[in-house]
Amino acid sequence: DAGVIQSPRHEVTEMGQEVTLRCKPISGHNSLFWYRQTMMRGLELLIYFNNNVPIDDSGMPEDRFSAKMPNASFSTLKIQPSEPRDSAVYFCASSPLGSGGYNEQFFGPGTRLTVL
Amino acid sequence: GNSVTQMEGPVTLSEEAFLTINCTYTATGYPSLFWYVQYPGEGLQLLLKATKADDKGSNKGFEATYRKETTSFHLEKGSVQVSDSAVYFCALSLNNAGNMLTFGGGTRLMVKP
Repeated sequence: DAGVIQSPRHEVTEMGQEVTLRCKPISGHNSLFWYRQTMMRGLELLIYFNNNVPIDDSGMPEDRFSAKMPNASFSTLKIQPSEPRDSAVYFCASSPLGSGGYNEQFFGPGTRLTVL
Repeated sequence: GNSVTQMEGPVTLSEEAFLTINCTYTATGYPSLFWYVQYPGEGLQLLLKATKADDKGSNKGFEATYRKETTSFHLEKGSVQVSDSAVYFCALSLNNAGNMLTFGGGTRLMVKP
């Protein structure tokens, strides 16, 4: 398996522009997580889905952020409009949802976003 | 609530030195515990885990023991290498939280030749 795939790997945009980050989870995994990582705030969980349904979006910073998972093999994180403080590395991770207990999260390589 | 506290870095060691990175937790239930590692420019990957008290997780020469009495899961390695330079994250998961993880702040390790 190719692992979790994220695109683009790098994105540079100007303040006010719309940004869309994409994630393809590992086939067969039915939990998907979006994280943001910055030097100041460390690693933050933004939102996660089980079976394509958003379970907890309490980490989404504000209404400018939205995430969708239209099917089991694709998810997007959109920022509209973007601001310089959104500059960060955004990670997607996926995990198989077992019958109980924990299953390992597999992380993608991340998208480095720079908002000028 | 649930939280994980790690020692602040960076931790700078010479090659072949002994490593300890402290991790303590608070949890409303009975968690599973994990160490993840992030190499430069990459995503996080699972290093080791322990799912019940007194379990020892181990991988690549790293070890950590689940200590319920001290609510700790300290990471140790007897002899570090330059290639171990990375950021290490301690994390917990509760069985009733699906696969959601609560991460510590991360500890950067720098190993010098």
